[in-house]
Amino acid sequence: EVQLVESGGGFIQPGGSLRLSCVASGFSVTTKYMTWVRQAPGTGLEWVSVSYTDGRTHYADFVKGRFTISRDNPRNTLYLQLNTLTVEDTAIYYCAGGAAYSHGPGAFDLWGRGTLVSVSS
Amino acid sequence: DIVMTQSPLSLPVTPGEPASISCRSSQSLLRVNGYHYLDWYLQKPGQSPQLLIYLGSHRASGVPDRFSGSGSGTDFTLKISSVEAEDVGVYYCMQALQTPPTFGPGTRVDIK
Repeated sequence: EVQLVESGGGFIQPGGSLRLSCVASGFSVTTKYMTWVRQAPGTGLEWVSVSYTDGRTHYADFVKGRFTISRDNPRNTLYLQLNTLTVEDTAIYYCAGGAAYSHGPGAFDLWGRGTLVSVSS
Repeated sequence: DIVMTQSPLSLPVTPGEPASISCRSSQSLLRVNGYHYLDWYLQKPGQSPQLLIYLGSHRASGVPDRFSGSGSGTDFTLKISSVEAEDVGVYYCMQALQTPPTFGPGTRVDIK
């Protein structure tokens, strides 16, 4: 079965760090650009970051150098390192993948169930 | 960044009836290759989003043909020809012309 499974979320104090993981099964992450999208409680979707198959990465402006996306192709896993967290980073973080667009991220045809990051003092 | 808007933000629907959601972008989503980089996603209650439409009008794999996308430039529409109870949830449009991709605020569809 083709799926993405996120983990690593939890409760953390402001200024803390977490590493999110997204394990892919049923396909190789080398065939897709992989992205993180987040959703704060009761709100809409917000794109966070993308990792392309050629190693390039891109981040939303609000990341401001605090987050790092990476992938481990042999482990078929995507990561998101979250540093210097603030209460505004509280959200469900979804891992998603796509391959339809050659110029940038979009057409995310595979999504995980998400992992909740809750930042509070 | 490209700003996306949607209307209506809430849409009560009757099963068996058609429904339509509009999406507008702050600039044209047409790329030089002739395609419009506009996606539609549905987030059903308690679930993660799922891709419905990409390139403005291409149905994703497994999406029922009652869903259709259309539009050009800055104005796009998602239509459901005959709403079913399982279609409830929040519908998002997303532009993928430029990075960062940006989402509309969402349209909540529920049964009257």
